[in-house]
Amino acid sequence: ETGVTQTPRHLVMGMTNKKSLKCEQHLGHNAMYWYKQSAKKPLELMFVYSLEERVENNSVPSRFSPECPNSSHLFLHLHTLQPEDSALYLCASSQGGAGGEAFFGQGTRLTVV
Amino acid sequence: AQSVAQPEDQVNVAEGNPLTVKCTYSVSGNPYLFWYVQYPNRGLQFLLKYITGDNLVKGSYGFEAEFNKSQTSFHLKKPSALVSDSALYFCAVRDTVTGTYKYIFGTGTRLKVLA
Repeated sequence: ETGVTQTPRHLVMGMTNKKSLKCEQHLGHNAMYWYKQSAKKPLELMFVYSLEERVENNSVPSRFSPECPNSSHLFLHLHTLQPEDSALYLCASSQGGAGGEAFFGQGTRLTVV
Repeated sequence: AQSVAQPEDQVNVAEGNPLTVKCTYSVSGNPYLFWYVQYPNRGLQFLLKYITGDNLVKGSYGFEAEFNKSQTSFHLKKPSALVSDSALYFCAVRDTVTGTYKYIFGTGTRLKVLA
């Protein structure tokens, strides 16, 4: 266990559904991240939150909507997804300062049908 | 722009032999470098990092990495590979330029340790 918990671990959704991914960290970190990992592609940074404020949105389509209500929780709201959005979605957290390592959750395996 | 490169998609090594997984970096300013490992359908696990100081960094599970400033490299090493080391390995650099401190990852190297 890394101290970062993602739920659900697996999710199958239709293209017209709305669902949310949840990430929770118990490490006292002040930065949280969403990454997308697709087969045969590099890890893609989606969003960065620092002190609950979004500091980076890496040209992510609006069908992905992040929410960070407090420093311990991060959500990724999904709606009208496409099959190519099927991937492993990874949440991470870190402490401020350049030298801190990121701690990752186990990921949510999303399949869009 | 900050970046890392992992030139090998896959590395094969016999069990008991030394292993090296290569990483080169390009940064503005001081490099903050990391290695992570990923097992199938799992998140990334932190192995080790270089911030400053000794060029040889020791990490988890017997792994170490050598920071070489002149060659801008940060290769991951282990003296004696185990079959259980077979996994996907990622090198990363911390972005200290844009102010977001995001982690920029390489494309990953799949390590296969053969019994």
